[in-house]
Amino acid sequence: AQSVTQLGSHVSVSEGALVLLRCNYSSSVPPYLFWYVQYPNQGLQLLLKYTTGATLVKGINGFEAEFKKSETSFHLTKPSAHMSDAAEYFCAVSAGGYQKVTFGIGTKLQVIP
Amino acid sequence: DADVTQTPRNRITKTGKRIMLECSQTKGHDRMYWYRQDPGLGLRLIYYSFDVKDINKGEISDGYSVSRQAQAKFSLSLESAIPNQTALYFCATQDGLSNQPQHFGDGTRLSIL
Repeated sequence: AQSVTQLGSHVSVSEGALVLLRCNYSSSVPPYLFWYVQYPNQGLQLLLKYTTGATLVKGINGFEAEFKKSETSFHLTKPSAHMSDAAEYFCAVSAGGYQKVTFGIGTKLQVIP
Repeated sequence: DADVTQTPRNRITKTGKRIMLECSQTKGHDRMYWYRQDPGLGLRLIYYSFDVKDINKGEISDGYSVSRQAQAKFSLSLESAIPNQTALYFCATQDGLSNQPQHFGDGTRLSIL
């Protein structure tokens, strides 16, 4: 079985401040991990993914995430928030093979001018 | 044109009506999914299909049915709609490997009165 926990359903940051969105996962096998972003009235779009190899993964729009096996975490960060980053962010995990993807409940990011 | 197209984008209907939501894709992916999104609950999987002859129930399939008419088409039906099926519905596709991201349509906002 696999699961995802996103800590904080709402996060507020000031424009220019560090963005940190937390994601912890549970998986009985080495996981595939994803972060998606959802803007209003749109579907989810892939920000970045970890499959194998380098544990620090860079994505679009300046976001990155680090896979930490010992902490079962895959937190999403961005050094400096922009107003355009305001959206909902979803962490997701897959155990591979014929396993489906499990999504977290999402974190809404508010960016304060 | 969008790679994953959902129709209709919005629908308001009455309790007891039969409703069909349609999804078509031009990505050539074998895997297709139907999710519903509710505030505070994230995305929950309704049904998924790994190829034309494969249909699987997700975590919340009761009250729903699906049809995979072709590789490119996957429709979701509510045989007798009830108010608690009011939600945002998403179709997604995925290449035939679980380490690949999912590609989402823009969603169908369904309201059942």
